[in-house]
Amino acid sequence: DSGVTQTPKHLITATGQRVTLRCSPRSGDLSVYWYQQSLDQGLQFLIQYYNGEERAKGNILERFSAQQFPDLHSELNLSSLELGDSALYFCASSVGDGSPYNEQFFGPGTRLTVL
Amino acid sequence: AQTVTQSQPEMSVQEAETVTLSCTYDTSESDYYLFWYKQPPSRQMILVIRQEAYKQQNATENRFSVNFQKAAKSFSLKISDSQLGDAAMYFCAYGRDMRFGAGTRLTVKP
Repeated sequence: DSGVTQTPKHLITATGQRVTLRCSPRSGDLSVYWYQQSLDQGLQFLIQYYNGEERAKGNILERFSAQQFPDLHSELNLSSLELGDSALYFCASSVGDGSPYNEQFFGPGTRLTVL
Repeated sequence: AQTVTQSQPEMSVQEAETVTLSCTYDTSESDYYLFWYKQPPSRQMILVIRQEAYKQQNATENRFSVNFQKAAKSFSLKISDSQLGDAAMYFCAYGRDMRFGAGTRLTVKP
């Protein structure tokens, strides 16, 4: 158990809908990262927040947005969902500001299925 | 943009034998970290080992070690005395934004 929690574990929805994925980092970790893993593919970095502020941005679609709240939990919002958005979404957290010196701890992921 | 390449989509090893997984990367930075993550069928991402670019010495964690060639931008993972529990997807990752390779699926034969 990494200490990072993600809810829900599974989510099934229809095209065009909007969903919210939630992540609680490990106690004391200030950074939260979001990744997308499509079927049998590698992880794609989406976005990173550090202490409530956006820190780095990867290949995140405009239909997707995220935020980190004062209690440091984070939410990833996916809207106007398409079939291709079906994937495993991981959240990870680290102690520091995201420098490579901080190990990232991954949550168990949320499996999103868009029908 | 930095890229990470894992040229071996699949690898197979006999139990108790040694296997090496390859990874190359592209960067213009001089100071960075590299990582190997393991993803078993449970899909949990587990850090296996990390290497600091400014350190000459190759990192080692029990049966796992790396061969880091900075000039060649190569970062391979060696698994010694392979065990059935080592069967998983292995991802190489680079740097601050954790850019991942496409992964290598390792099968361990009893």
